[in-house]
Amino acid sequence: QKEVEQNSGPLSVPEGAIASLNCTYSDRGSQSFFWYRQYSGKSPELIMSIYSNGDKEDGRFTAQLNKASQYVSLLIRDSQPSDSATYLCAVMYDYKLSFGAGTTVTVRA
Amino acid sequence: SAVISQKPSRDICQRGTSLTIQCQVDSQVTMMFWYRQQPGQSLTLIATANQGSEATYESGFVIDKFPISRPNLTFSTLTVSNMSPEDSSIYLCSVQGVGGRGSRGPSETQYFGPGTRLLVL
Repeated sequence: QKEVEQNSGPLSVPEGAIASLNCTYSDRGSQSFFWYRQYSGKSPELIMSIYSNGDKEDGRFTAQLNKASQYVSLLIRDSQPSDSATYLCAVMYDYKLSFGAGTTVTVRA
Repeated sequence: SAVISQKPSRDICQRGTSLTIQCQVDSQVTMMFWYRQQPGQSLTLIATANQGSEATYESGFVIDKFPISRPNLTFSTLTVSNMSPEDSSIYLCSVQGVGGRGSRGPSETQYFGPGTRLLVL
């Protein structure tokens, strides 16, 4: 499987702040990029997908993609305690997903 | 998205035995996959379950240890054979191409089942 690296955690942010998550990938042929959220004891749930360079916003979440730098990021604005979870970056190549190790985010009330 | 169910949700097994995990989807999907998530780790793809043919395994995974079936477009099974404590993990199925669509875009998204938590003693 292709390599996917995420910034090491855990990441602790105060409520209302911005949480910034980073991800780099090794395969330039990758075309589709995803962020999944995984609560403890639960399976991953999709929160964002991005296919083109630039920003994509969905509510409080913004994904950024830079294919030249092989870099994907996720910003969580106005962080809430319910955002406390592990965030997994996933990169698709040839219909298969490779996952990063995940970044655990804790939002302090 | 699709509604995905897995059975059993959890099990405790003795070493040397085998367990078959079922994955059922409420609509036809193009592709089904099986992943393993070991304690404190991220997800690792075991294999792609191909309908009507042998599964495609990733490096480090073999059919004798993880036989997979996919008899139709909504159902797949993964068997963990001759288990050892190292097989203790969460096993997840995922689906892609809900409704049978396989083109690039939202239909490429993979959705995950709730997982099967396996403990081998």
